Amino acid sequence: DAGITQSPRHKVTETGTPVTLRCHQTENHRYMYWYRQDPGHGLRLIHYSYGVKDTDKGEVSDGYSVSRSKTEDFLLTLESATSSQTSVYFCAISDPSGSSYEQYFGPGTRLTVT
Amino acid sequence: KQEVTQIPAALSVPEGENLVLNCSFTDSAIYNLQWFRQDPGKGLTSLLLIQSSQREQTSGRLNASLDKSSGRSTLYIAASQPGDSATYLCAVRPPSGTYKYIFGTGTRLKVLA
Repeated sequence: DAGITQSPRHKVTETGTPVTLRCHQTENHRYMYWYRQDPGHGLRLIHYSYGVKDTDKGEVSDGYSVSRSKTEDFLLTLESATSSQTSVYFCAISDPSGSSYEQYFGPGTRLTVT
Repeated sequence: KQEVTQIPAALSVPEGENLVLNCSFTDSAIYNLQWFRQDPGKGLTSLLLIQSSQREQTSGRLNASLDKSSGRSTLYIAASQPGDSATYLCAVRPPSGTYKYIFGTGTRLKVLA
């Protein structure tokens, strides 16, 4: 298994509070991604990073921000959590080695906003 | 805009049956296509990746094919087992220059003992 960890694995928070999720990799992969998975919508990209301090928006980026100060860590922040952000959040990594860009996923964080 | 569809959404088969899962995409200009398995409450596990220049990839009892011109990929599972029960997702990566993957909503497979 690819060395990807996510923390916390479960979190319950109240509406309006800030929340930060962490993704940590030991593979030295260049690209990192944050997705959310919801019934009926599948996996949707929130933000991704193509290098340290290089990030870009995905299709559902409103209400989320990210930071990547070093290769191994990619942080997702909900500035002011809302109930619509209740979801399972997955981090993924990929690398252009061999031109494959194969994606590997972390175990996920289940976030509940009450 | 690229869209990825997986039909059926759910499938039940008896143990031992050979089966095919489908993945359709609307834009044939893709860089690669990846198949994943997801067990309940778990993350996604990569099964096979097919580059745009390839026609198929094999791993054990799994065989994935790619037909870009028709916008289709299939995942063939031979001699299915109850342990194959999971949700199977496909994802396409658009051409070079973008790093975003687009996912289908998956097929939930149940193999009955």
